[in-house]
Amino acid sequence: GAGVSQSPSNKVTEKGKDVELRCDPISGHTALYWYRQSLGQGLEFLIYFQGNSAPDKSGLPSDRFSAERTGGSVSTLTIQRTQQEDSAVYLCASSLEGQAGSGQETQYFGPGTRLLVL
Amino acid sequence: AQKVTQAQTEISVVEKEDVTLDCVYETRDTTYYLFWYKQPPSGELVFLIRRNSFDEQNEISGRYSWNFQKSTSSFNFTITASQVVDSAVYFCALYSGAGSYQLTFGKGTKLSVIP
Repeated sequence: GAGVSQSPSNKVTEKGKDVELRCDPISGHTALYWYRQSLGQGLEFLIYFQGNSAPDKSGLPSDRFSAERTGGSVSTLTIQRTQQEDSAVYLCASSLEGQAGSGQETQYFGPGTRLLVL
Repeated sequence: AQKVTQAQTEISVVEKEDVTLDCVYETRDTTYYLFWYKQPPSGELVFLIRRNSFDEQNEISGRYSWNFQKSTSSFNFTITASQVVDSAVYFCALYSGAGSYQLTFGKGTKLSVIP
């Protein structure tokens, strides 16, 4: 079946502009995650959605970052007033569910969105 | 706090050589899960294996094998008879699910297989 899809694949923007990144998880997966991959910091967790529960936003680096998940499926990560340090690859992942021990917590990743802030 | 250490930043081997990628983890949780992912030049993270903390059996899948040792908190990955297509960055990751649903990744090991 179809994997996790993300759009756009590449985004170039000017400092100070807002950007929206989209993630379409694997059908039927209730858990959705956003990570950021940058040269200096490696792979960092940003936010986690599980079903209708309140999201875990503990990894968001600043209040310029926000995310929502509509209808328990598609998610949008928004970065307001972008800064050059926001340049990175933003990866989305989904799993059948987030609860550990279920055997269904394996996260499958999308191809990522490469964001460049000039 | 959880931590994953991949001490090898880059490794180069000649095709058909065997290579082992090291992974050492730290966690206070008694139940946790370990993963390996492969990131080829295309950029997408590809899931390779999941192992829970109660299962210390080694696993073999074709040319890939994994050695999990709780006594040394290690989860090493060996590729036998390496091929050029194995060239990628490999990430080890830890997940406990105990109030935190994120994967904690190591910094990755870049493997280059030279023909």
